[in-house]
Amino acid sequence: DVKVTQSSRYLVKRTGEKVFLECVQDMDHENMFWYRQDPGLGLRLIYFSYDVKMKEKGDIPEGYSVSREKKERFSLILESASTNQTSMYLCAAAPDSNQPQHFGDGTRLSIL
Amino acid sequence: EDKVVQSPLSLVVHEGDTVTLNCSYEVTNFRSLLWYKQEKKAPTFLFMLTSSGIEKKSGRLSSILDKKELFSILNITATQTGDSAIYLCAVYTGANSKLTFGKGITLSVRP
Repeated sequence: DVKVTQSSRYLVKRTGEKVFLECVQDMDHENMFWYRQDPGLGLRLIYFSYDVKMKEKGDIPEGYSVSREKKERFSLILESASTNQTSMYLCAAAPDSNQPQHFGDGTRLSIL
Repeated sequence: EDKVVQSPLSLVVHEGDTVTLNCSYEVTNFRSLLWYKQEKKAPTFLFMLTSSGIEKKSGRLSSILDKKELFSILNITATQTGDSAIYLCAVYTGANSKLTFGKGITLSVRP
């Protein structure tokens, strides 16, 4: 089974801080994704990556960036955290666009 | 803009009931439709549907896709308290791997 591991379950940061969320997958999948999940809004795609050093914007990339230096690791970066980025962040991985995405347990991020 | 709409948004039933969860979509270049179950943590994959009229089944859960009317249903028979969760519907579109999600349906099964 695919294992997608997110480094923190809960995280509290202050406005203006630079925040790193880490995600690691163990199945050598090409595609990795970052979503945020908010009540009443569902899951929204922030960024995704098809391969090492490649990235594509999702539906809500503003205020975020990503890094994929190794195939198994996909990092989400909040350059200068703001309170409206308080959310549940979910990472996912998939071998290709014809296969289901498998999710990590999520990081609940609070920005104070 | 691609759109996935789930209904109802929430549902409360009693153990043993049968429930039907709905998902409709308006997207360009449909490829497949997926159902996930989310309890307190990660969404877990249930079904992936690509062809109309072919039912997929796993235990008490089943799902079917209608590509002409652009919807899918997820049925759960003889519900149990462990079925309480958020059920997510998502659609793969286009040449890339982008999934568009509905807002989810919160199902509560009471003893």
